[in-house]
Amino acid sequence: AQTVTQSQPEMSVQEAETVTLSCTYDTSESDYYLFWYKQPPSRQMILVIRQEAYKQQNATENRFSVNFQKAAKSFSLKISDSQLGDAAMYFCAYRTYNNNDMRFGAGTRLTVKP
Amino acid sequence: ETGVTQTPRHLVMGMTNKKSLKCEQHLGHNAMYWYKQSAKKPLELMFVYNFKEQTENNSVPSRFSPECPNSSHLFLHLHTLQPEDSALYLCASSQELAGPDTQYFGPGTRLTVL
Repeated sequence: AQTVTQSQPEMSVQEAETVTLSCTYDTSESDYYLFWYKQPPSRQMILVIRQEAYKQQNATENRFSVNFQKAAKSFSLKISDSQLGDAAMYFCAYRTYNNNDMRFGAGTRLTVKP
Repeated sequence: ETGVTQTPRHLVMGMTNKKSLKCEQHLGHNAMYWYKQSAKKPLELMFVYNFKEQTENNSVPSRFSPECPNSSHLFLHLHTLQPEDSALYLCASSQELAGPDTQYFGPGTRLTVL
């Protein structure tokens, strides 16, 4: 069974600084997708960034980028120039290519200090 | 309205009550999902519907009964729940069941079972 592990229950960062959230996963599949979702205090989960496993190039979305290490099964999220609005729970998620059964990690609560 | 909406946002019910959660997606998607989010635990997939047909039931107790009358609406009927069923119930939708499609989440219903 595929599992997703987020080893940092809580992280904090100073406004304008950079923070990296860790995620590892376990799978025997070769084709899959990885996601980072953000859940602000209002609770609506929104997609931050997505990575297809067959792509070697790391995905980026403005201030958000990932470090995808397929061999190590690692998928970390880097937030640059952190803003107060980045404070939220961040969930790493995994899904195989042919199945929409999304597996989530337990989440990392990010606090941004002004 | 846009995106995925859920009603009610908060629900308190006794163990003998019967209630229903409603989800509506305004995105033209074909697949819809129910997730359970408990404190400090990963999101748990409960049910998956594709074109109104249930494709997955992750060993969910029968006191939870889903209904999908059309691709835009999804219900979760609740009866004789237990206090441990208290959680945030999230609805999500995606264009297709497999492939690279992202799941879009609703704001959730915070359920408390007394």
